[in-house]
Amino acid sequence: SQTIHQWPATLVQPVGSPLSLECTVEGTSNPNLYWYRQAAGRGLQLLFYSVGIGQISSEVPQNLSASRPQDRQFILSSKKLLLSDSGFYLCAWRAPPKNIQYFGAGTRLSVL
Amino acid sequence: GQQLNQSPQSMFIQEGEDVSMNCTSSSIFNTWLWYKQDPGEGPVLLIALYKAGELTSNGRLTAQFGITRKDSFLNISASIPSDVGIYFCAGQVVGTASKLTFGTGTRLQVTL
Repeated sequence: SQTIHQWPATLVQPVGSPLSLECTVEGTSNPNLYWYRQAAGRGLQLLFYSVGIGQISSEVPQNLSASRPQDRQFILSSKKLLLSDSGFYLCAWRAPPKNIQYFGAGTRLSVL
Repeated sequence: GQQLNQSPQSMFIQEGEDVSMNCTSSSIFNTWLWYKQDPGEGPVLLIALYKAGELTSNGRLTAQFGITRKDSFLNISASIPSDVGIYFCAGQVVGTASKLTFGTGTRLQVTL
């Protein structure tokens, strides 16, 4: 069966520090991968998605970047965090052609 | 990005009551999904709908894909305390491969 792993679960970082969040999927190949951000009590905002290794689509201009160095690995990064980067970050995967996305447990990021 | 209109935003109900929530869109969808999110966790898929008019059940949950393909509803019968959480609708807009559009969420709270 397929599983998705996200880490860390919680992260507290100072303003101006770098960021690296990792997501890996097991049990499937060539998945579509997604990074979302969720502000407290709000809906999900799509940040990036990838349909293959090295292929990244950005949905909103921001202080973050994404990379997909391997088929089942998706990384969210920042060189210098801002206060506004705080939030709950979710990784998801999809096995085409089905339209269902499956989510990881999320990373709670607090930038202080 | 685009979001669906989901209502109600929140609801307080008593244990044993039935619950109904819905989503509407100005765009035609070819897939409707319903997710539930517990606090601090990622969303979990409840029901997937693929055809206009489709009515699907999962235990006490029932969801329908609207005939116009622009709306969907979710019903929960005989609510219990563990139904507490945020419910999101999501769908794939025709012509937007790989991406889902999410509703703003319905926060459900169940009192004994």
